[in-house]
Amino acid sequence: GAGVSQSPRYKVAKRGQDVALRCDPISGHVSLFWYQQALGQGPEFLTYFQNEAQLDKSGLPSDRFFAERPEGSVSTLKIQRTQQEDSAVYLCASREREGPNEQFFGPGTRLTVL
Amino acid sequence: GENVEQHPSTLSVQEGDSAVIKCTYSDSASNYFPWYKQELGKRPQLIIDIRSNVGEKKDQRIAVTLNKTAKHFSLHITETQPEDSAVYFCAADMDSNYQLIWGAGTKLIIKP
Repeated sequence: GAGVSQSPRYKVAKRGQDVALRCDPISGHVSLFWYQQALGQGPEFLTYFQNEAQLDKSGLPSDRFFAERPEGSVSTLKIQRTQQEDSAVYLCASREREGPNEQFFGPGTRLTVL
Repeated sequence: GENVEQHPSTLSVQEGDSAVIKCTYSDSASNYFPWYKQELGKRPQLIIDIRSNVGEKKDQRIAVTLNKTAKHFSLHITETQPEDSAVYFCAADMDSNYQLIWGAGTKLIIKP
């Protein structure tokens, strides 16, 4: 079946622009995570949704970052007034149910801020 | 909070030899320890995981061991092949949402 998909795969933004990154999780998956991955580093947690509820946003680096999942499926990560330090790969992962289980990752969106 | 340390950062082994990657964690309440493989430019993919009620788990050439007392777990890859070349990440769960805390990764290089 279809895995987790993300769009766009690549995004180049000028500093100060707003961007929106989309994640389509595996159908029926309850949990959805956003991560930021810098080059040569492991994924860093940004935020977590259980269905449409955002239960943890402690990893969002500033109030310029905003995430939503209004109908409990597709999620959007929005970054306002992008800065060069926002350049990274943004990974989305979904998990079938609550509890310690496999997270399935999307291919990521590589964001470059010039 | 949870902290996961991973060693080594780079590991180069001869094809056919074994590779071992080690991780330590700080939160004794952690119960789930997955290992992910990430090839260059690709998404992380789960290769094996272990839960705290098990000391060892094997899947063909891959095995993971867990020592809860010492709070460390290790990935073992035997008979390494060129396609094993990738970055490997360990992780440990924390909190009620089973958020994962990740190690910094190990770049595994298989020399022909």
